[in-house]
Amino acid sequence: TQLLEQSPQFLSIQEGENLTVYCNSSSVFSSLQWYRQEPGEGPVLLVTVVTGGEVKKLKRLTFQFGDARKDSSLHITAAQPGDTGLYLCAPLTRGAGSYQLTFGKGTKLSVIP
Amino acid sequence: GAGVSQTPSNKVTEKGKYVELRCDPISGHTALYWYRQSLGQGPEFLIYFQGTGAADDSGLPNDRFFAVRPEGSVSTLKIQRTERGDSAVYLCASSSQAGTTYNEQFFGPGTRLTVL
Repeated sequence: TQLLEQSPQFLSIQEGENLTVYCNSSSVFSSLQWYRQEPGEGPVLLVTVVTGGEVKKLKRLTFQFGDARKDSSLHITAAQPGDTGLYLCAPLTRGAGSYQLTFGKGTKLSVIP
Repeated sequence: GAGVSQTPSNKVTEKGKYVELRCDPISGHTALYWYRQSLGQGPEFLIYFQGTGAADDSGLPNDRFFAVRPEGSVSTLKIQRTERGDSAVYLCASSSQAGTTYNEQFFGPGTRLTVL
């Protein structure tokens, strides 16, 4: 059983600040996804990272996959109130007949105007 | 275009009762997944359907939980003899294909189940 840790668990920042959240494990992953979930909604896919050391950018969001493919980070530049939500990382693992998502507990981000 | 829809959005029931939660996937999506998200946790995999058959039910916590997808579209998650610990948001997701390649899962808004 893989252990997946996301940190910090909660983060409250002022609009315009930068932040980084982390996703760590002792297991090696073939690929990993990041999702954002808003209250009352299901998670929405932000990005998939596959290659060790890979960096992907989505506007003000920068995602990095660790060289050893055991960890990942999400950096947000100049956070906006619209960035508020629960950020979840989810490695893809092969289950019986399909790929499964194994979600971390998430980082709950609040951006204060 | 319609996304994944789930009904009801909220369900309050009493301990010991039977409940059914419904998921309407995106039209044409052959793969359907159920997850459970407890308070302060990420979603936890329950069961995966490819077409009408449950290809992987390894996440169902016990035999009180059962899911069907008789026509390969709508799915129903059934919980018998509900317990307070079953209280959670039940999420459904669908994707266009599964098997050897991964395709993005699209999530519904979930059904919030409260067992009193």
